[in-house]
Amino acid sequence: DAMVIQNPRYQVTQFGKPVTLSCSQTLNHNVMYWYQQKSSQAPKLLFHYYDKDFNNEADTPDNFQSRRPNTSFCFLDIRSPGLGDAAMYLCATSGSGGVRDTQYFGPGTRLTVL
Amino acid sequence: DAKTTQPNSMESNEEEPVHLPCNHSTISGTDYIHWYRQLPSQGPEYVIHGLTSNVNNRMASLAIAEDRKSSTLILHRATLRDAAVYYCILRVPYSGAGSYQLTFGKGTKLSVIP
Repeated sequence: DAMVIQNPRYQVTQFGKPVTLSCSQTLNHNVMYWYQQKSSQAPKLLFHYYDKDFNNEADTPDNFQSRRPNTSFCFLDIRSPGLGDAAMYLCATSGSGGVRDTQYFGPGTRLTVL
Repeated sequence: DAKTTQPNSMESNEEEPVHLPCNHSTISGTDYIHWYRQLPSQGPEYVIHGLTSNVNNRMASLAIAEDRKSSTLILHRATLRDAAVYYCILRVPYSGAGSYQLTFGKGTKLSVIP
């Protein structure tokens, strides 16, 4: 089945130690998104790629970076994780990203910062 | 930002219909109404979307008010598996790019009672 895959499902890192979360998709979608979801809160968009074009949300901290080396893969890099970055990180994809387009979400990676 | 208002929580008995309301008084003419749900410990999943006319699919029905300032997601027979947070979202253009974003509100937590 075509899907959005996130690895690992659980990630533990230390305060200040860089960490990379990965996302892959078999849907061949143009658009890939990264969301942050803190406990009992709604998902919040960090940034997205439309093909190779990177679109950053205005309030996304510089500590968060992303790479998309090809259509299938997208990475979220947290350069110096703080305790406040502990959250579920959700990757999503959509075809054209149009107004009627739906987003397909992965299961998420839960990040713990010690 | 286009915003939606939903009740924080609702309860339903199993096997009975559920009507989940959403207010979106600031909706503009081209905004689509999308519903997603998030089961515990999973990424959100698409449920249904519409513009002006009522919509049906295998998961649910969407009833849209004539003035489009409110909508209702209808689950015809609630099951235990339908217990989730339901998000009503206006799909609006992402400024400066060709894609459209989802801005999640707080959603409605649906509990299903056996």
